[in-house]
This record gives sequence, C-alpha cells and structure tokens, in this order.
Amino acid sequence: NAGVTQTPKFQVLKTGQSMTLQCAQDMNHNSMYWYRQDPGMGLRLIYYSASEGTTDKGEVPNGYNVSRLNKREFSLRLESAAPSQTSVYFCASRARGTDTQYFGPGTRLTVL
Amino acid sequence: TQLLEQSPQFLSIQEGENLTVYCNSSSVFSSLQWYRQEPGEGPVLLVTVVTGGEVKKLKRLTFQFGDARKDSSLHITAAQPGDTGLYLCAGEDYGGSQGNLIFGKGTKLSVKP
Repeated sequence: NAGVTQTPKFQVLKTGQSMTLQCAQDMNHNSMYWYRQDPGMGLRLIYYSASEGTTDKGEVPNGYNVSRLNKREFSLRLESAAPSQTSVYFCASRARGTDTQYFGPGTRLTVL
Repeated sequence: TQLLEQSPQFLSIQEGENLTVYCNSSSVFSSLQWYRQEPGEGPVLLVTVVTGGEVKKLKRLTFQFGDARKDSSLHITAAQPGDTGLYLCAGEDYGGSQGNLIFGKGTKLSVKP
C-alpha cells in the first residue's frame, strides 16, 4: 500500500496562474482533508470531504476549490494563484470511526 | 474559535536531557493527538489521548491529557538525536462529527549529540 500520495512534490507558479494539486489514498478511507502549513502557523484546514460526494470549507478556504473525484481521489485547485498561497500543502485521509489521520508527503508550492 | 497554544516554540537540547512540551487551550476537546513531523515529510501520529487524566507511554515518550481535557503535555526522557523533529498537538473538535482537527503551531525540537 502506498498510503496517501500527492503530486506534484514541488511547483513554482507565477501570480495569476492556475493549477491542481492531486491527492490519492489506497486505504479505502471515507474522509479526506487538505491542509496548508506555513512557518509558525501550524497546519490549517482548507477543505475537507467527509465522504464521497461531499465537500466542506475548513478554516482557510478562500482562493481554493476542491473536488472529491471518487473515494480515492481529492484534488485542490488554485484558480488564480497569489503569493500568499506560497506554502506546503498536505493531504490527509481518515477511516470512519477512527481518529488517526494519515498524511501525504506534501506539495511545496511557490507563487512568484 | 478553538485554539491550541503550544510551548515552547523552539527547543534545542543536548542528548540525554529531559524535556516537556505543553499544549494548552481554554476549550474542551473530545480527544487530543500528538504528531511528529520530520523535514520534507507529512506528520505521523504518535498517540491519541481521550480520557481526562489519561497517561500514555511510548518508549521514552510520556503523554498526559489534563483532567479537564483542555491541555496536554509530552515528556521525553533522555532525548536522542533521533527525536529531532516538529511535534504537533491536535485537538478533535468537541461535539464535531467530522473528525476535524485543530492543530497547535508546533514545537521544533533539536537534539544535539
């Protein structure tokens, strides 16, 4: 099992460009999450999906959209990237009835 | 808004020393988790504490959940260079049904040989 995988690992964008961060899990988990991690700020929840077909906003959703494509995949889209979105993005998943979130290796995004 | 305050933010110690990291809040949490994150990787769960006053041990790491379920501590005995990393506490939203976590800002630990 690969666990939670994320692509790409690194990305540099110019202001105004768009891109989609991909996340997939092979653990048959119901819930999936997108976080961003900034120095001194910890992890902040952007969006989450409690089950296939549902998505909800987290603490910092502005400037992002998500798609829960199927049970395995949960993508994060930046429509018009801004320098304030420079961050490390983590995807996580969790099985129903458990408390453990499993994290992917992260995507390091720089917006110039 | 529920907040988790972690202290200290940075900790640099010598191998063999003991240390304690604190995680405090004015809010009650259903459970509290501790994660460890190494550079370039995602956080990995160390432990979950659920009951007020609960103490859990993981080799040289001791985790405690406050009686009122508002705070927690992580104590490392005889720290080793392999303990170096970012330690994050995370509380599960009390009454929440989605399993969403609120993270502290982390404690960056460096253990020098």
